[in-house]
Amino acid sequence: AQTVTQSQPEMSVQEAETVTLSCTYDTSENNYYLFWYKQPPSRQMILVIRQEAYKQQNATENRFSVNFQKAAKSFSLKISDSQLGDTAMYFCAFISNFGNEKLTFGTGTRLTIIP
Amino acid sequence: NAGVTQTPKFRVLKTGQSMTLLCAQDMNHEYMYWYRQDPGMGLRLIHYSVGEGTTAKGEVPDGYNVSRLKKQNFLLGLESAAPSQTSVYFCASRTSGRAPPDTQYFGPGTRLTVL
Repeated sequence: AQTVTQSQPEMSVQEAETVTLSCTYDTSENNYYLFWYKQPPSRQMILVIRQEAYKQQNATENRFSVNFQKAAKSFSLKISDSQLGDTAMYFCAFISNFGNEKLTFGTGTRLTIIP
Repeated sequence: NAGVTQTPKFRVLKTGQSMTLLCAQDMNHEYMYWYRQDPGMGLRLIHYSVGEGTTAKGEVPDGYNVSRLKKQNFLLGLESAAPSQTSVYFCASRTSGRAPPDTQYFGPGTRLTVL
């Protein structure tokens, strides 16, 4: 069974600074996908970024980028030039590529951007 | 497109009462999911459906039933609510299960309290 671990329950950073959220996972599979979801106070789950395990290049979406280390089973999220609107819970999630419909989530990191 | 919608947004039940949560999506997605979110535990899969007329158990299915009579709707039922079912419930959907698995799109959530 896959597991996803987020070891930072809470983090805070000054506006405009850079912050990195950690995520590690455990799987015996070789093909899978990893996601970061953002959940602001509105409760809506919003996809931030996704990474295919077979791609060596790290995914980027504007101010958001990941550091994907497949051998270490690590998938961290870097937020550059942080903004007040980035304040939210962030969840790391894993899904297998084949025959497994279960999206496994970590327990989340509460990120607060300080003005 | 409204995306994924959930009805109701909030509900308070007494122990032993029954209710149905409705999830609707207008994106013609094949796959639909019900998750629950509890503090400190991330999101956990209750049931899912890979197409109209099909359902399958997820990680925490006990106490819940589901139906997918129409492709666009996925219903989650609680026959006899218990305080342990107090949670926030999220519905999600995505396109077919071909590889690679596409991103799941989430509804806004339903906050359920069982007294």
